[in-house]
Amino acid sequence: DSGVTQTPKHLITATGQRVTLRCSPRSGDLSVYWYQQSLDQGLQFLIQYYNGEERAKGNILERFSAQQFPDLHSELNLSSLELGDSALYFCASSTPEGDPSTDTQYFGPGTRLTVL
Amino acid sequence: LAKTTQPISMDSYEGQEVNITCSHNNIATNDYITWYQQFPSQGPRFIIQGYKTKVTNEVASLFIPADRKSSTLSLPRVSLSDTAVYYCLVGPGGSQGNLIFGKGTKLSVKP
Repeated sequence: DSGVTQTPKHLITATGQRVTLRCSPRSGDLSVYWYQQSLDQGLQFLIQYYNGEERAKGNILERFSAQQFPDLHSELNLSSLELGDSALYFCASSTPEGDPSTDTQYFGPGTRLTVL
Repeated sequence: LAKTTQPISMDSYEGQEVNITCSHNNIATNDYITWYQQFPSQGPRFIIQGYKTKVTNEVASLFIPADRKSSTLSLPRVSLSDTAVYYCLVGPGGSQGNLIFGKGTKLSVKP
């Protein structure tokens, strides 16, 4: 158990709909990262938040957005869903301690999104 | 971030030592080498991270030659439960940047 929790575990929805995925980081971790893993694209970084502020952006579609709340949990919002958005969505968290050799991202169990 | 190259797949038998080599010719001075393990439908799990020479923990060893252009993950006495995909990543510290995952190495351990 990494200490990162994600809800829901599974989500089935239809094209055109909007969903929200939730992530609670490990206790004390300030950074939250979102990744998408699909069969054809592998694991891809979407976006990072640090203490409520957006820190880095990857291959995140304009239909997707995220935020990190004061209690440090994060939500990933996916709208106008398409069949191709079906994938595993992982959240990871970390706390930079000033020593890069000890910085590690811990991944949650993921949310499996199926768009029908 | 430095690009990595690792074998697509490897087969082994229970009890054997497995060595997975990763090439990263363009590694930068401030880059670290990190290995993750992923089981089907689960999130990647951190295995080990190093900068140079050798690092060992309770799970694996990481060997990094002086030129740092490659690294080898060593798994001692693998078991069936070590069957997974292993990713080699190179970047400026685990949380100082987003992680760029390649295809990884699918390790299959047979009885």
